[in-house]
Amino acid sequence: QQQVKQSPQSLIVQKGGISIINCAYENTAFDYFPWYQQFPGKGPALLIAIRPDVSEKKEGRFTISFNKSAKQFSLHIMDSQPGDSATYFCAASMEYRSNTGKLIFGQGTTLQVKP
Amino acid sequence: KAGVTQTPRYLIKTRGQQVTLSCSPISGHRSVSWYQQTPGQGLQFLFEYFSETQRNKGNFPGRFSGRQFSNSRSEMNVSTLELGDSALYLCASSLEAGEINTQYFGPGTRLTVL
Repeated sequence: QQQVKQSPQSLIVQKGGISIINCAYENTAFDYFPWYQQFPGKGPALLIAIRPDVSEKKEGRFTISFNKSAKQFSLHIMDSQPGDSATYFCAASMEYRSNTGKLIFGQGTTLQVKP
Repeated sequence: KAGVTQTPRYLIKTRGQQVTLSCSPISGHRSVSWYQQTPGQGLQFLFEYFSETQRNKGNFPGRFSGRQFSNSRSEMNVSTLELGDSALYLCASSLEAGEINTQYFGPGTRLTVL
C-alpha cells in the first residue's frame, strides 16, 4: 500500500514532442505528490508538486495532472528539449497528515529527447 | 546560499567494515532525510531527523543508523557492510517552516562495497 508505481521505465521523444509519465498509488493517506528530475551524477531536484485538492498544476512546460478518484497522477513535458533528457521520479508523502517529509518514490523513468 | 553538501562523494569499503557518511543541510534547514538509491530498488527512504530526533525510519536493518547534531548536520553509519549496501546514499534537507517543505537533495555519496 506504500508503493508508487511509475511507467514507462524509459521513454524516447523527438524534440518538440510531448513527454508523458504516469504514476499510480494505493494509499489514500498520501497528500503531497512531487516530481523530481535527476541528471547523472546529481541528486534529484524538485520539478513540480501537487496536492490532491488540485486536479492540475502547470509550471512553464511542465504540467501535473491529478486524478484523485483513479489514484493516478502524471507529468506532461510540453515542447520537450534535449536538455530535458534525465531520469524522472514521481513520489508521494503524507506530508501534511503525518508531519513527515518521508517520500515514497516511483521506480523512475529515463527520458531521452532526440534532437 | 550553498546547497546540501555530502562528504565524501565516493567511498570504497570491503565487506565487514563500517562507514560513516556526512551531510550538511542548507543553512537554516532543520530537517534531514537519508535515502538509498540502487538500480534495482530505486530510491528508498532510510530515516528522517528533525531537531536531533529521529522522526521516521524506513525498513532497513539495524546496521543502518543515523544521528543529527544541534547544528542540523547529520551522519549516517552502516556497520558490518555487505555487498548489497553498494549504492548512492542521498541526503535531503527541508526548512520545516510553513506548509510546503520542499526537500532539497545533495549530490550523494557513492559507496562501493567490495
